[in-house]
Amino acid sequence: DGGITQSPKYLFRKEGQNVTLSCEQNLNHDAMYWYRQDPGQGLRLIYYSQIVNDFQKGDIAEGYSVSREKKESFPLTVTSAQKNPTAFYLCASSIPGRKGYTFGSGTRLTVV
Amino acid sequence: DQQVKQNSPSLSVQEGRISILNCDYTNSMFDYFLWYKKYPAEGPTFLISISSIKDKNEDGRFTVFLNKSAKHLSLHIVPSQPGDSAVYFCAAALGAQKLVFGQGTRLTINP
Repeated sequence: DGGITQSPKYLFRKEGQNVTLSCEQNLNHDAMYWYRQDPGQGLRLIYYSQIVNDFQKGDIAEGYSVSREKKESFPLTVTSAQKNPTAFYLCASSIPGRKGYTFGSGTRLTVV
Repeated sequence: DQQVKQNSPSLSVQEGRISILNCDYTNSMFDYFLWYKKYPAEGPTFLISISSIKDKNEDGRFTVFLNKSAKHLSLHIVPSQPGDSAVYFCAAALGAQKLVFGQGTRLTINP
């Protein structure tokens, strides 16, 4: 079955450490996205990529970095510069020009 | 600037009754609208959508209404069931550009 896999489901890190969240899709979608969900704030776009080797900042990109070396993969690194990294992170993909995203099941990151 | 707004953070409805979730938008150029449903610790799943050339789309218990003059979108769930308890996000699209999401409304269906 095609879908998006985010791993791990739960992640704990010490403050000051960088951490990378994995997102892999086998839907053959060109576009991929990273969102962050905080209570009462909905889904906020961090980064997105519409094609391999290209990506753009979203609304809250500070303290995050991404890469898109393969069509299937769009890892997100939460750096020590991100002031409030504890959140639920969602990855999504889509076919450019077609409406609607397919979401992964999310990663809950807790920084202690 | 919040282009898509869901002004009700939460809604409580009795089982069997109608649930109405609302969404307002500011950009009249949006041409497609979607509703997503999200359970805790899971990713959102697509529920129903509507093109701006229509004013209503129905799928089983779910109906989405679009009022372009008021820039208002609503999702009706009839009858409401306990499994409908979730957070609902509306989203809007402009051509091939990325989706813009609302803040979400937490729906609770009471037995």
